[in-house]
Amino acid sequence: DGGITQSPKYLFRKEGQNVTLSCEQNLNHDAMYWYRQDPGQGLRLIYYSQIVNDFQKGDIAEGYSVSREKKESFPLTVTSAQKNPTAFYLCASSESPRTGGTNEQYFGPGTRLTVT
Amino acid sequence: AQTVTQSQPEMSVQEAETVTLSCTYDTSESDYYLFWYKQPPSRQMILVIRQEAYKQQNATENRFSVNFQKAAKSFSLKISDSQLGDAAMYFCAYRRRSQGNLIFGKGTKLSVKP
Repeated sequence: DGGITQSPKYLFRKEGQNVTLSCEQNLNHDAMYWYRQDPGQGLRLIYYSQIVNDFQKGDIAEGYSVSREKKESFPLTVTSAQKNPTAFYLCASSESPRTGGTNEQYFGPGTRLTVT
Repeated sequence: AQTVTQSQPEMSVQEAETVTLSCTYDTSESDYYLFWYKQPPSRQMILVIRQEAYKQQNATENRFSVNFQKAAKSFSLKISDSQLGDAAMYFCAYRRRSQGNLIFGKGTKLSVKP
């Protein structure tokens, strides 16, 4: 069954701690994305990667870091430098936009991070 | 910079009736894609419908259709014969053809009354 998995569904951390959110896909997609969702804000792009070992900052990258060592994995680390980390985080993947076509994004179920 | 605006934070519709959700966008590009995503209470994002900007014909998917007005930069979603399962947040999104990342509007919360 192809899809995107994010774990865990709920995550709790103390302020000042780094935390890593997992995202795995078995769709053989080249591109992967991380979005943050806050109430009334829609989804905002944190980081994206169009190919292994390469990634780009999105609109709100400050306080976050990523790696893309494998095609199927794109973990997101929320660092202690992120001033307001409590949010819902969504991972997505798609075929590379370089191939042309609609390249719709497929989303994981999300991780709700609460930092106190 | 591209922006997407959804001017209706909340909408309500009676079951079996029709509702239209509004979306406008701003871009200087001529080649792009537009999407409507549905996010039910489970928070799983589900693609509802897509539109390629170079196609004049409005996209349809069963009870869902769009009114794409390229010159006006408008992309509304019409839901016909509304069902209780249609209750969700609906997000309009834009993507440049050459880029993969989506730009989302802030969403419209749709309620369906039995």
